[in-house]
Parts: sequence; C-alpha cells; structure tokens
Amino acid sequence: AQSVTQLGSHVSVSEGALVLLRCNYSSSVPPYLFWYVQYPNQGLQLLLKYTSAATLVKGINGFEAEFKKSETSFHLTKPSAHMSDAAEYFCAAGGSNYKLTFGKGTLLTVNP
Amino acid sequence: DGGITQSPKYLFRKEGQNVTLSCEQNLNHDAMYWYRQDPGQGLRLIYYSQIVNDFQKGDIAEGYSVSREKKESFPLTVTSAQKNPTAFYLCASSTTGWNIEKLFFGSGTQLSVL
Repeated sequence: AQSVTQLGSHVSVSEGALVLLRCNYSSSVPPYLFWYVQYPNQGLQLLLKYTSAATLVKGINGFEAEFKKSETSFHLTKPSAHMSDAAEYFCAAGGSNYKLTFGKGTLLTVNP
Repeated sequence: DGGITQSPKYLFRKEGQNVTLSCEQNLNHDAMYWYRQDPGQGLRLIYYSQIVNDFQKGDIAEGYSVSREKKESFPLTVTSAQKNPTAFYLCASSTTGWNIEKLFFGSGTQLSVL
C-alpha cells in the first residue's frame, strides 16, 4: 500500500530564507506525486505535480520540487520565503487509480 | 466561475443526530470525493463516486453514507453511528475517476459535536 511521510509537522523560517519541506513516499512503482497548500479554513490548492515527465517540477508561487527515485523523495523548496507562504502543506501520492494518499501535513511558519 | 461549493461552512451535531453536508460542483466533473481531515492526520478518503448512481467506500466509510443522484451533487451524511464526527470535511472532484492529476477541492465544512 502507498504511504507518504512528511518529515516535520512544523517548519519555521525567516522571511527571505530557504523553504524546504520534506516528503518521502513508498512505492515499488513511481507514482504521481503532488504538493498541495491549505490556508486556514480553506480547501486545498494544487502547488505542483510530478507525472513522470521532468524530475524537477516548477509550481505556482515560486515553489518547485524534485523527484528523486533513488531516495523515494519529492521535497518541496522555495528559495526565498514570503510571509504569504505561511500555510499548511500536504504531499500526496497516487498510482494508476483514483486514490490519493496524503501525508500528515507540514505547517510552515514565516517569521518577519 | 466554475467550482465546488460546500455548505454549510460550520455545522453542529447533537448526540444521536444525522447531519448532511452538501457538495455541489459546476465543473461538469464525473468523479467526486469526500475526505475527512483531522489535525495532524492529513486527509483520509471516506467515499468516492466515479459516475452518477454509483459510489464506493474509501478508507474510513463506517458511520457515513452518500448518494449520487445527480452529476453535480454528492451529499455526505454523517450518521449517529459515527462516534467521533468532529473534523473538517473536504469535497473534491475530478474529470474522471482515474484522473487524480486534476483534483479540485471545495472550501470545506467544519463539523463539531454539541
């Protein structure tokens, strides 16, 4: 069964600093991989997705993620954090069916 | 604008009561999903439907029921059998049951127990 692990339930960075949110998945077959962002009391918005094309995926708001098969990782990065990036971020994985498996989420705090 | 509308935004349930959460989409999507979100737990799939008049259980269907009588609507009923219903509920839709690449989410309903 697919599982997704997000390392660190809470990450705190200073404004302008690098953002790194970690995600590892378990699967014998490279899945579809996603990063979603959730603002308080809102639904999820898709930041970016990997679907077996380029391993470095660029998303919205300056975020990007790199698929590393050897490490079964799909970490999310942004070179310079902005106050508006403060939110909860979810990594998710899916195979060739309907089902998405979500990680438990990482709350990003951006300090001025 | 097309989108997914969930209502109400906040809902309170009394002991032994059934409550129904509404989810409507005007995206002409075939597939619709219900997820439950608990703090620190991520999202878990309750039910999903790939087509009208058909739906399947997800990972945590016990204590919940759904119907899919219309393409645009997928209401979720939280029954009295669900002993721990307090959570944030998210509805989502996609173009087909297999197209998880494009999953659109509603803005959620927070259900609390009185």
